[in-house]
Amino acid sequence: DSGVTQTPKHLITATGQRVTLRCSPRSGDLSVYWYQQSLDQGLQFLIQYYNGEERAKGNILERFSAQQFPDLHSELNLSSLELGDSALYFCASSVPGGSLGSSTDTQYFGPGTRLTVL
Amino acid sequence: KNQVEQSPQSLIILEGKNCTLQCNYTVSPFSNLRWYKQDTGRGPVSLTIMTFSENTKSNGRYTATLDADTKQSSLHITASQLSDSASYICVVSAYGGDLGNDMRFGAGTRLTVKP
Repeated sequence: DSGVTQTPKHLITATGQRVTLRCSPRSGDLSVYWYQQSLDQGLQFLIQYYNGEERAKGNILERFSAQQFPDLHSELNLSSLELGDSALYFCASSVPGGSLGSSTDTQYFGPGTRLTVL
Repeated sequence: KNQVEQSPQSLIILEGKNCTLQCNYTVSPFSNLRWYKQDTGRGPVSLTIMTFSENTKSNGRYTATLDADTKQSSLHITASQLSDSASYICVVSAYGGDLGNDMRFGAGTRLTVKP
C-alpha cells in the first residue's frame, strides 16, 4: 500500500459525459501527479501540482483539467468524453526535497481509477 | 517516434536466473531516468532514480546503470523470483525550465519468471 488513495476504483460512463477523479496524496506530500495509461499509448504524464499550484504539464488534453485543493487532495476532471479516453488513470505523490521539490523525488502511485467510456 | 525505447518487448526466464532489460532514449535536455515495476492492474512502484552524474544505482536485487553519453540505461535483475514477473518501465525526464520537467515513458518490458 503506497498511502495514495484514489476514488472511484472503477467508472463506467457514456461518450460526451463529464467525470471527476479524486486523489488523496500520502500524508505530508505536497506534489501530486496525474498519469493516463491506455493499451495503445502506454503511460503518459498529464500534469503535476505542487502545494496547490500547477508545476508541470505533459500531454493533457484541453478537455481535461485538474486542481489541487488546500487540503492537498487533487481532482482530475475529464469532459466531453470520447471512447479513446478509456484508460487507467493514476495519481502519484512525492515528498518535496526543497522549496519546490526535487526532480528526483520518489513518486508513490495510487491504485488507479479504471475509466470505461461506452 | 517514441523518445524512450525499451527492449526486449517481453522476456521469459527461469526462476533463479539473471536478466538485463534495456532502455535507449533521445530525450533532451536530460534530467533523470527512473525504472518502475508495474504489476498488472496496479500502480507502478519506483525501483531506481538516476541523474546525469550517476552511473549505477542498486535497490536489492535490482541494479540500474546509466550511460549518459550513449543515452542508454539497463536494469539488471539478479537471482530472479516468481514475484519479479511484471512490466518494467523506463521513464526519462527532460528539463522544461519554467514549464517544469516533462516525463517520457517507454512502452515497458513484460518479464515472466517461470518456476
